[in-house]
Amino acid sequence: AQKVTQAQTEISVVEKEDVTLDCVYETRDTTYYLFWYKQPPSGELVFLIRRNSFDEQNEISGRYSWNFQKSTSSFNFTITASHVVDSAVYFCALSVLISSGSARQLTFGSGTQLTVLP
Amino acid sequence: NAGVTQTPKFRILKIGQSMTLQCTQDMNHNYMYWYRQDPGMGLKLIYYSVGAGITDKGEVPNGYNVSRSTTEDFPLRLELAAPSQTSVYFCASSYPGTLNTGELFFGEGSRLTVL
Repeated sequence: AQKVTQAQTEISVVEKEDVTLDCVYETRDTTYYLFWYKQPPSGELVFLIRRNSFDEQNEISGRYSWNFQKSTSSFNFTITASHVVDSAVYFCALSVLISSGSARQLTFGSGTQLTVLP
Repeated sequence: NAGVTQTPKFRILKIGQSMTLQCTQDMNHNYMYWYRQDPGMGLKLIYYSVGAGITDKGEVPNGYNVSRSTTEDFPLRLELAAPSQTSVYFCASSYPGTLNTGELFFGEGSRLTVL
């Protein structure tokens, strides 16, 4: 079975601080994908990044960076110089194949509520 | 493109009532999904479909039914609504076949309250 754990339920930082959101996953599959989604107060789900299990390179996109470590089954997300608009719930998710087909199921963590204070 | 469209966005039901949440996508995606999100929780898979005429249960299917008569539409039906079904429902779709990484394209969500 697959599982995603986001141990940090809520985090508060002051604007311009850096913040790291932790994600630990469990799966027996050798091929899988990891995702981060953002859910702002308006409620929609915004895709941030996808990483496959064979690519452990860290990635940076503007103020966002992701650290994928298979050895510790972690896929952490760092926001540098946070802004108030970064306030949202952030979900880490794991994608594995559903049964014998090619469809994939996304298993979500419970999310981390990030509040960035002015 | 409209992407994934869900209706209604909000609905209040009385216990025992039935209703259908509509979902349509215009991206020609074979795979479609229904998730529910309870307060303070992540999303849980209710049902999914890999193509027209094919549906299967996810993690939390009890109390729901789905159908997939066309590639575009994937309605979710609640029979005999219960307070435990109060939640936000998300419909999603994803690329088919070998392009399917699990990346989901979500609708905006439907907030359902059962009183």
